[in-house]
Amino acid sequence: AQKITQTQPGMFVQEKEAVTLDCTYDTSDPSYGLFWYKQPSSGEMIFLIYQGSYDQQNATEGRYSLNFQKARKSANLVISASQLGDSAMYFCAMREGPVFGNEKLTFGTGTRLTIIP
Amino acid sequence: DADVTQTPRNRITKTGKRIMLECSQTKGHDRMYWYRQDPGLGLRLIYYSFDVKDINKGEISDGYSVSRQAQAKFSLSLESAIPNQTALYFCATSEPGTANQPQHFGDGTRLSIL
Repeated sequence: AQKITQTQPGMFVQEKEAVTLDCTYDTSDPSYGLFWYKQPSSGEMIFLIYQGSYDQQNATEGRYSLNFQKARKSANLVISASQLGDSAMYFCAMREGPVFGNEKLTFGTGTRLTIIP
Repeated sequence: DADVTQTPRNRITKTGKRIMLECSQTKGHDRMYWYRQDPGLGLRLIYYSFDVKDINKGEISDGYSVSRQAQAKFSLSLESAIPNQTALYFCATSEPGTANQPQHFGDGTRLSIL
């Protein structure tokens, strides 16, 4: 079974609209962390936001927020007021287990987001 | 200067050749990783190292080997390259035991095996 599932291979969104990128995960470990990365066409990987399994509140970083639904095992990325520069590939990733000694990540297959002017 | 530097940035080579991709970092992180990215498959872990004396296989280690020459250097080798190893390769680093700290990636090496 896939540990990280991103079901939207591609999305087109009008500029200034909000967009939600889906991510579901599969783990039996109570301790885990979820990360979102952005990969623009230039290829580099840019960290966006982190959510820990024990965090009580949904993470937010500027225009990025994470809709964390633990019981559903979903960690959807929400981008508010999308901009042309948000056009990129977006990856969800998971770290399983207590942090020390388990820092490696498992990535999803990604969602390509295109913002339409 | 970049914190995580990969060399070369691009490489085209022939089947059967030995290739080494190099990664160096100035972040002082103990943990280092090699991933490959293929269209539609995301990033997959090849090898990772938690310190100079600790090397571990990842999800797709067959056909690859690594060397951790120092805390700052982690090299990936393809002993006899084959076309299906054509991919974008990333090196990454992280701090040990810090929950919300992300992995930091190099800019990638685009490798083509003809």
